[in-house]
Amino acid sequence: DTAVSQTPKYLVTQMGNDKSIKCEQNLGHDTMYWYKQDSKKFLKIMFSYNNKELIINETVPNRFSPKSPDKAHLNLHINSLELGDSAVYFCASSPYGGDKNTEAFFGQGTRLTVV
Amino acid sequence: AQKVTQAQTEISVVEKEDVTLDCVYETRDTTYYLFWYKQPPSGELVFLIRRNSFDEQNEISGRYSWNFQKSTSSFNFTITASQVVDSAVYFCALSENAGNMLTFGGGTRLMVKP
Repeated sequence: DTAVSQTPKYLVTQMGNDKSIKCEQNLGHDTMYWYKQDSKKFLKIMFSYNNKELIINETVPNRFSPKSPDKAHLNLHINSLELGDSAVYFCASSPYGGDKNTEAFFGQGTRLTVV
Repeated sequence: AQKVTQAQTEISVVEKEDVTLDCVYETRDTTYYLFWYKQPPSGELVFLIRRNSFDEQNEISGRYSWNFQKSTSSFNFTITASQVVDSAVYFCALSENAGNMLTFGGGTRLMVKP
């Protein structure tokens, strides 16, 4: 069983479209994240959700809207896609804070290409 | 605010050489966690190690070893007798208590040639 799974793995779409990336974790973790990796391999946090509540939003354009229907799912919806949104998006999960601070488990990544 | 710096953007070695990947971090917290992840050409992020700020013991796992020095805010990673399969991008990362979000360094691309 895959611990953190995200779909699709590849996504090619035209500018201006709206698209979603889905993420699910079966680890029972409280916290889920979205990270963006750009073409230079820089990895940066976008959002963090704890028990379905947003706790971190790192100055991401409001065209990006995460949605967490339950603590095992964190989907990323992107409106009006732009060329600069092309990147690899990673979903991750971990237990929350303090003594539970362990490594984050990452999904396989979704390579988004906007043409 | 926290910051992680991996000054080496790319390293190339010949198989069986030892190689050290440097990582320097900045944080105001007294409690924090340091990580190394490997990203092979296939693209996934593979967890290698976690270290908390109170544990400065060095760690060895097979050909991998890590040297954590709070005095210099460094958490360096050494691969002994490198192999072609070690070719990957390696990321050092820092997490403070709140939210467990990771701040990544820029990554070091390691190329091991046969």
